[in-house]
Amino acid sequence: QVQLVESGGGLVRPGGSLRLSCAASGFTFSDYCMTWVRQAPGKGLEWLSYISSSGSDIYYADSVKGRFTISRDNARNSFYLQMNSLRAEDTAVYYCARDRVAAVDTRDFELWGQGTLVTVSS
Amino acid sequence: DIQMTQSPSSLSVSVRDRVTITCRASQSIGAYLNWYQQKPGKAPNLLIYATSKLQSGVPSRFSGSGSGTDFTLTISSLQPEDFATYYCQQSYSTFITFGQGTRLEIK
Repeated sequence: QVQLVESGGGLVRPGGSLRLSCAASGFTFSDYCMTWVRQAPGKGLEWLSYISSSGSDIYYADSVKGRFTISRDNARNSFYLQMNSLRAEDTAVYYCARDRVAAVDTRDFELWGQGTLVTVSS
Repeated sequence: DIQMTQSPSSLSVSVRDRVTITCRASQSIGAYLNWYQQKPGKAPNLLIYATSKLQSGVPSRFSGSGSGTDFTLTISSLQPEDFATYYCQQSYSTFITFGQGTRLEIK
């Protein structure tokens, strides 16, 4: 079954850290670029970070640059978002997503995970 | 960053209505414009990519058009399952941006 499954969300105090994981199955993970997108409660979608299929190209939104780190392990069919120095405004549902086409950087997202909630609160 | 502005922010519509949602980019993005549908509590679903190409499995009542800075999503005859929030997204820039969303509500 072609799917993405996120894990690692939860409640964390301001200034704390959390690592999100996204496990892929049903397709050749190493062929695809991957992305993290978040959605604050009642708000719209915000792109956070992108990693190329090999992991050689990485980009971040200004809102998380220097605090969040994206990475991938193609051998484990997984990719990650390490989140440090978390703030209340980082509270959101975090989605992982896959590009539509293998081996091409299309940056349109055909496959999404179910989302994992991160709550930053004291 | 490229700013994406959708209008309207919300729309009250009835089943079988023809619906048009507009998305404007702050600079030319060619045809690098995608549309998503999102229902409450669910992940977004890709409807249209590259301005006008229908994603596999998406009903033909959905269509997209435009180029440069101005784009539209049209639903030719709204069905009950189409009540949702719709987002545009530019894939022209490495730094991806979404519109703020357009919520379709039942009139």
